[in-house]
Amino acid sequence: DGGITQSPKYLFRKEGQNVTLSCEQNLNHDAMYWYRQDPGQGLRLIYYSQIVNDFQKGDIAEGYSVSREKKESFPLTVTSAQKNPTAFYLCASSLRNTGELFFGEGSRLTVL
Amino acid sequence: DAKTTQPPSMDCAEGRAANLPCNHSTISGNEYVYWYRQIHSQGPQYIIHGLKNNETNEMASLIITEDRKSSTLILPHATLRDTAVYYCIVRVIPMLNTGNQFYFGTGTSLTVIP
Repeated sequence: DGGITQSPKYLFRKEGQNVTLSCEQNLNHDAMYWYRQDPGQGLRLIYYSQIVNDFQKGDIAEGYSVSREKKESFPLTVTSAQKNPTAFYLCASSLRNTGELFFGEGSRLTVL
Repeated sequence: DAKTTQPPSMDCAEGRAANLPCNHSTISGNEYVYWYRQIHSQGPQYIIHGLKNNETNEMASLIITEDRKSSTLILPHATLRDTAVYYCIVRVIPMLNTGNQFYFGTGTSLTVIP
């Protein structure tokens, strides 16, 4: 079945460590997105990518980095520069310039 | 920032219609209104979208006012599985070579009561 897969589902890290969250889609979508969600809050856009080898900062990109070397993959690295990384991270994809986002199941990161 | 206003929470009796309002008074002429919902600790799910005409699909109906400044999502026969946070989003028009951003606010938490 086509879909979007995030891994790991749960992740724990120590302060000062970088961690990479995986996002893979087999929907042949051009655009991919990373959002962050804090308890009781809406989604905030971290980064997005419209095509391979290109990506743009969203509203809260500081302390995060991404790459888009392949159409189907858009990994997110949470660096030690991110002051409050504990959150629920959601990856999504869409055909370019359409409004239907397909979301993964999310990755919950906890910094100990 | 999100350009929509929604009530923070609503209740609805099971089997009755749930009517979720959204205000988007600054919407531009060619911006669409999208609705998504998020069941606890899952990724959001697309429901429906519209420009100016009312729309209906197997999940819901979308009623957009004539002046396009507000809309209502209607779940015709709410079930317990419809308990979720519902997001109303106005799609920002993509600029040349920039993104197709979607801005999610805090939405409306709908509780369907048995």
